[in-house]
Amino acid sequence: RKEVEQDPGPFNVPEGATVAFNCTYSNSASQSFFWYRQDCRKEPKLLMSVYSSGNEDGRFTAQLNRASQYISLLIRDSKLSDSATYLCVVNSDTGRRALTFGSGTRLQVQP
Amino acid sequence: GAVVSQHPSRVICKSGTSVKIECRSLDFQATTMFWYRQFPKKSLMLMATSNEGSKATYEQGVEKDKFLINHASLTLSTLTVTSAHPEDSSFYICSARHNGRGTDTQYFGPGTRLTVL
Repeated sequence: RKEVEQDPGPFNVPEGATVAFNCTYSNSASQSFFWYRQDCRKEPKLLMSVYSSGNEDGRFTAQLNRASQYISLLIRDSKLSDSATYLCVVNSDTGRRALTFGSGTRLQVQP
Repeated sequence: GAVVSQHPSRVICKSGTSVKIECRSLDFQATTMFWYRQFPKKSLMLMATSNEGSKATYEQGVEKDKFLINHASLTLSTLTVTSAHPEDSSFYICSARHNGRGTDTQYFGPGTRLTVL
């Protein structure tokens, strides 16, 4: 079983739609959780950290359920510029802070 | 935000040559840097953790004699792919850990695309 699992998609949605991505992680001792965005042939960029209480940044809302080991990302009012691959990322090794990446969910927002 | 650079951004080389990739943190000191590899349509896979002033820690299955890592200063880590072969062709990305007052975040370099002919 992979440490971090995501639905690979692609998710094809029209502009203005709301889309949700899910992610599960296997290590119950994981401490930190993130969503990264990666554009084609570019490096990943931090979108937002994910906190137990849930957090929102503009059109983006992240949720964490530690009991279910489940993380989600909700994007409201999708823009064309949101088209990218969204990576669920977990830090299970608090000493080194090495990150474990999910394989990513591809989003294509269409006009 | 913090900036991490990588050089070169792209390299094409013949099989058997060695390739050195540099990763620099431009506006902060990074005692820890990480090297990842990403094959097409796959996720980033951690190769090794680079620690300033000490030996790198390699992930299982990564040959330390093939992927030489040097972290000689707080702002520079290098990855050398020795005797590169076509199967080493990949996107290599470094990240630098920024651990300061009120922050503990990793910042990624722009990546180096290696093609071995």
